Amino acid sequence: AQKVTQAQTEISVVEKEDVTLDCVYETRDTTYYLFWYKQPPSGELVFLIRRNSFDEQNEISGRYSWNFQKSTSSFNFTITASQVVDSAVYFCALSEDPSGSRLTFGEGTQLTVNP
Amino acid sequence: KAGVTQTPRYLIKTRGQQVTLSCSPISGHRSVSWYQQTPGQGLQFLFEYFSETQRNKGNFPGRFSGRQFSNSRSEMNVSTLELGDSALYLCASSLAEGYTEAFFGQGTRLTVV
Repeated sequence: AQKVTQAQTEISVVEKEDVTLDCVYETRDTTYYLFWYKQPPSGELVFLIRRNSFDEQNEISGRYSWNFQKSTSSFNFTITASQVVDSAVYFCALSEDPSGSRLTFGEGTQLTVNP
Repeated sequence: KAGVTQTPRYLIKTRGQQVTLSCSPISGHRSVSWYQQTPGQGLQFLFEYFSETQRNKGNFPGRFSGRQFSNSRSEMNVSTLELGDSALYLCASSLAEGYTEAFFGQGTRLTVV
């Protein structure tokens, strides 16, 4: 069975601080796909990134970066120079399907960025 | 390009009633998945439909069912509603081919009283 754990329930930072959201996963599959989604108050989940299990390259996209470490089954997400607009719930998810059509989600981390 | 559309956005039902929620996927997307989000259980996968067939199912009782039409639009039905069915129900669509991602709708907020 697959499992995703986000140990940080809530994080509060001041604008311009860097913040890292942790994600640890469990799966027996040798090929799997990891995702991060952002859920603003409007409710819809916004896709941020997908990472394949066979590609351990870290990725940077603007202020966002992701650190995938297969050895520790972790896929952490860092926001650099956080902004108030980054306030949302962030979910890490796992799927055996490359299209992410059947996702196992973590509990989510509520990030609040204060001005 | 229109996103995933879920209707209605809000719904209030009484215990014992049944409810039908609708999801229109992004044009060209053939896979539709449904998720239930509650404060206690988080986001849980309900089922996935692909080409009008249920392809995967989560661990939910038989009161939860769904279907998909030839135009890929999907409906989910919950019969004999219980208070615990109060949740945000999210629909996601994807191409279901190759490396892509699921796009989510804004959800239907169901309240059972």
